[in-house]
Amino acid sequence: AQTVTQSQPEMSVQEAETVTLSCTYDTSESDYYLFWYKQPPSRQMILVIRQEAYKQQNATENRFSVNFQKAAKSFSLKISDSQLGDAAMYFCAYRRSWGGSQGNLIFGKGTKLSVKP
Amino acid sequence: GAGVSQSPSNKVTEKGKDVELRCDPISGHTALYWYRQSLGQGLEFLIYFQGNSAPDKSGLPSDRFSAERTGGSVSTLTIQRTQQEDSAVYLCASSFSGRAYEQYFGPGTRLTVT
Repeated sequence: AQTVTQSQPEMSVQEAETVTLSCTYDTSESDYYLFWYKQPPSRQMILVIRQEAYKQQNATENRFSVNFQKAAKSFSLKISDSQLGDAAMYFCAYRRSWGGSQGNLIFGKGTKLSVKP
Repeated sequence: GAGVSQSPSNKVTEKGKDVELRCDPISGHTALYWYRQSLGQGLEFLIYFQGNSAPDKSGLPSDRFSAERTGGSVSTLTIQRTQQEDSAVYLCASSFSGRAYEQYFGPGTRLTVT
């Protein structure tokens, strides 16, 4: 079975600085998707960034980028120029590539990010 | 356009009562997922619907939990004889079949069993 581990329950960053959130996963499959979701106090899960395992290039979305190390099964999220609005719970998630009835997301326990002004 | 909506936003119920939670997915999304988010267990998959196919119920924790999806759109998650351990946030997500890897989440229903 696939598992996702986030080893940092809480992180803190100064506004405008850079922070990296860690995620490791375990799978025997070669093709899959990895995601970072943001959950603010409103509870709404918001997709931050997606990485396809077959792609070697790391995904980027504006201030958000990932460091995908397939062999090490590591998928970290880097937030540059942190803003107060980035404060939230961040969840790393895994999904099999071929979906269907196995297409549900498998989540880590989350990292609570605080941003200090 | 409109996102995934869920109702009620919050629900407080007494132990032993039945509750129904509703999810209205994004129009045109054929896949619908229910997840449960609790302090002890994190985010867990509950059930999956794809179009008119039989649902994947493999994540349901007990036979007190059931769900249906009418007309391939709105879904209702029913919990019978609620227990205190059912207290959690219940999240619904939907996706378009052509981009099944992108799941869009609703705001969730916070269920409190007293």
